[in-house]
Amino acid sequence: AQSVTQPDIHITVSEGASLELRCNYSYGATPYLFWYVQSPGQGLQLLLKYFSGDTLVQGIKGFEAEFKRSQSSFNLRKPSVHWSDAAEYFCAVEGGSYIPTFGRGTSLIVHP
Amino acid sequence: NAGVTQTPKFQVLKTGQSMTLQCAQDMNHNSMYWYRQDPGMGLRLIYYSASEGTTDKGEVPNGYNVSRLNKREFSLRLESAAPSQTSVYFCASSESTGYTGELFFGEGSRLTVL
Repeated sequence: AQSVTQPDIHITVSEGASLELRCNYSYGATPYLFWYVQSPGQGLQLLLKYFSGDTLVQGIKGFEAEFKRSQSSFNLRKPSVHWSDAAEYFCAVEGGSYIPTFGRGTSLIVHP
Repeated sequence: NAGVTQTPKFQVLKTGQSMTLQCAQDMNHNSMYWYRQDPGMGLRLIYYSASEGTTDKGEVPNGYNVSRLNKREFSLRLESAAPSQTSVYFCASSESTGYTGELFFGEGSRLTVL
């Protein structure tokens, strides 16, 4: 069975500061990994995904994530946060079922 | 391009009432999903349909039924609503469960059961 943990429920950063959101997964083999963003009152939108190859993947809106097999992690990063990045962020993992399992989400608060 | 459309966006029910949430996608996707989102719980899969004519249970199917009406439409029915079903419901679609790719989500349906 696959599972994903997002250890931080809330993260608060100042506008212009760097950001790292944590994601740890559990799966017996190399999984497929995703980050989604949910703006208030909206559905989820894909930020980026990792299937194979280069462990550093680039996404939309200036986000990137790094797959670290040794740490079972897929952390999301952004060098400089904008106020419009305030949202809920979900990490998701797909294993053999090809159905994604989502983490509980991390709420990002951006102070001006 | 509408993507995934859910109706209604808001609904208030009394305990024991029934209702159907409708979902339609215009991307010619094979697979469709229903998730519920609760505070601190993330998204949990209720049912999914890998292709037209098939449906399967997800993590939290109790109290729900689904119908894959055709390739475009996938409905979620609550036969006898309970307060525990108060939640935000999301429909999503993807090209195929056999192809690991992006899920496209609707804007959600907020359901309150009194």
